[in-house]
Amino acid sequence: QQQVKQSPQSLIVQKGGISIINCAYENTAFDYFPWYQQFPGKGPALLIAIRPDVSEKKEGRFTISFNKSAKQFSLHIMDSQPGDSATYFCAARADSGYSTLTFGKGTMLLVSP
Amino acid sequence: DAGVTQSPTHLIKTRGQQVTLRCSPKSGHDTVSWYQQALGQGPQFIFQYYEEEERQRGNFPDRFSGHQFPNYSSELNVNALLLGDSALYLCASSWAGHLSYEQYFGPGTRLTVT
Repeated sequence: QQQVKQSPQSLIVQKGGISIINCAYENTAFDYFPWYQQFPGKGPALLIAIRPDVSEKKEGRFTISFNKSAKQFSLHIMDSQPGDSATYFCAARADSGYSTLTFGKGTMLLVSP
Repeated sequence: DAGVTQSPTHLIKTRGQQVTLRCSPKSGHDTVSWYQQALGQGPQFIFQYYEEEERQRGNFPDRFSGHQFPNYSSELNVNALLLGDSALYLCASSWAGHLSYEQYFGPGTRLTVT
């Protein structure tokens, strides 16, 4: 049973465009939602995270939008750059989960020059 | 400040063998979690160690075992390797303090079972 569903599987965006990746969850015990960026051959790097008491969090060009009632959250990358080309994972942590994370399957983003 | 480190970087083993992977957490962190990432998939939680005890476990067989040392470093052991165990094994560290949620990952160990 996949507890965090991520879409799309892959995404091509032109340089300067907006990249949008979506995730949906079912477990209402989830209380922390991070996004990770992973380059080939590297471990995932924490990008930005949100808790369900806020609807949006912005850090530089990266924004998380969170809809608690719909149990959905999304990552927006503004002014996408070729260096943003990577695989992005959404994840979720249950409030009794000792910080262990459940990951989506990932979105491979390609930003064309 | 060193981040999470893992060794070795790559490993090739034969089916049926045993393997040990090692992880040193980020400075100031006391909790280590291990994840398995198959090609093209998201990481899957194996287990977590805190105060030298396994305190949570994912859906993995008991061929997968671990250990945490007093300096918070950790080992992941896999016995009776199967071809399906080929994956990137990731270690993540965190701090068990109140309202601390962030997990930081190491670069991983790429295990190939032939």
